[in-house]
Amino acid sequence: GQQLNQSPQSMFIQEGEDVSMNCTSSSIFNTWLWYKQDPGEGPVLLIALYKAGELTSNGRLTAQFGITRKDSFLNISASIPSDVGIYFCAGQRAGGEGAQKLVFGQGTRLTINP
Amino acid sequence: SAVISQKPSRDICQRGTSLTIQCQVDSQVTMMFWYRQQPGQSLTLIATANQGSEATYESGFVIDKFPISRPNLTFSTLTVSNMSPEDSSIYLCSVGTGREPQHFGDGTRLSIL
Repeated sequence: GQQLNQSPQSMFIQEGEDVSMNCTSSSIFNTWLWYKQDPGEGPVLLIALYKAGELTSNGRLTAQFGITRKDSFLNISASIPSDVGIYFCAGQRAGGEGAQKLVFGQGTRLTINP
Repeated sequence: SAVISQKPSRDICQRGTSLTIQCQVDSQVTMMFWYRQQPGQSLTLIATANQGSEATYESGFVIDKFPISRPNLTFSTLTVSNMSPEDSSIYLCSVGTGREPQHFGDGTRLSIL
């Protein structure tokens, strides 16, 4: 099935560094979501974006909904050890057949060296 | 947000057998979904579980292999039938209300020997 293009696939950084990851799509989405998955758990919602151009923060996390509605990025500032995990973007279309369905990116695996 | 409980949390099964996974939500929800996450991969939607009617399957997934039930607005089951090693994955239930983003259970980790 369709997947979003998420990059990078993995990141190895030092504690305290900032992190940036992004997702792109060939088609338009009306909602962009960012999830984090820890080992042994399901994905947990971090940020939801509903409007093109929207910039939303959640603590040290900031995400933006691209103007074209075909992309989104997530930034993490001043990374800490608990930020380790896999981050997934997901796009959702509004209305009609397929509404509510999520299309996921391939994930970004974040590793932090203390 | 709704609290989602999945059972079992993990299982090891013999090939050729079937396993039914349960998803229980602590409040009524409009939408329930089942996803598969193969080892080291992203999430792929298997089907939308519709209350009172047959599930809607995505391309590549069929009812004979993944029968789904949704008897009410708080409960759904996914059966993985006639399992083979290729079915070793994490199976995740998610719920949505149409007004809030989907939330996920912790998944069922399935290994087929």
